[in-house]
Amino acid sequence: AQKITQTQPGMFVQEKEAVTLDCTYDTSDPSYGLFWYKQPSSGEMIFLIYQGSYDQQNATEGRYSLNFQKARKSANLVISASQLGDSAMYFCAMRPPGANNLFFGTGTRLTVIP
Amino acid sequence: NAGVMQNPRHLVRRRGQEARLRCSPMKGHSHVYWYRQLPEEGLKFMVYLQKENIIDESGMPKERFSAEFPKEGPSILRIQQVVRGDSAAYFCASSPTGSRDGYTFGSGTRLTVV
Repeated sequence: AQKITQTQPGMFVQEKEAVTLDCTYDTSDPSYGLFWYKQPSSGEMIFLIYQGSYDQQNATEGRYSLNFQKARKSANLVISASQLGDSAMYFCAMRPPGANNLFFGTGTRLTVIP
Repeated sequence: NAGVMQNPRHLVRRRGQEARLRCSPMKGHSHVYWYRQLPEEGLKFMVYLQKENIIDESGMPKERFSAEFPKEGPSILRIQQVVRGDSAAYFCASSPTGSRDGYTFGSGTRLTVV
């Protein structure tokens, strides 16, 4: 069974600082995709970044980067230069090979402090 | 280029009534996915549809829940005889194909059963 674990229910970060949100996953498949989504208080799910298990380099999208350590089965999200608008829930998700759906973690609530 | 449109945003139903949630995928997307998010939890997959076909309904409760994606019109998630435990946010996502491409989520429908 696929399992995504986000061990930090809540995180605080000072504005303009960097923050790392942890995500570990459990799968026996060699091929899979990893996703991070942001859910602000308004409720929508916003796609942030994607990492394929065979991608050679860590994914980056603007201030978001993914610290992918395949051997440790971790895919931590790094947000640089935090902004107040980054305050939200963040969900890690995995899509196993051939699967039609994503498996989500329970999320981390990030609060950016001015 | 409108995104994934879900309506209504909020829906209140009394126990025993029916709830109908609508999802119009992004233009050019022919694959629709429904997810449910219980309070303080991550999203859980319910069903995956293409036009006029249910491809994977492994996450759907066996009773009272049904989904369709007709040739014309939006995808509908239907919950009959709602109970308090059905209160949740229901998200729809769409993609141009069923595999590697990322999902685009709608803003969700928040169902409250009173």
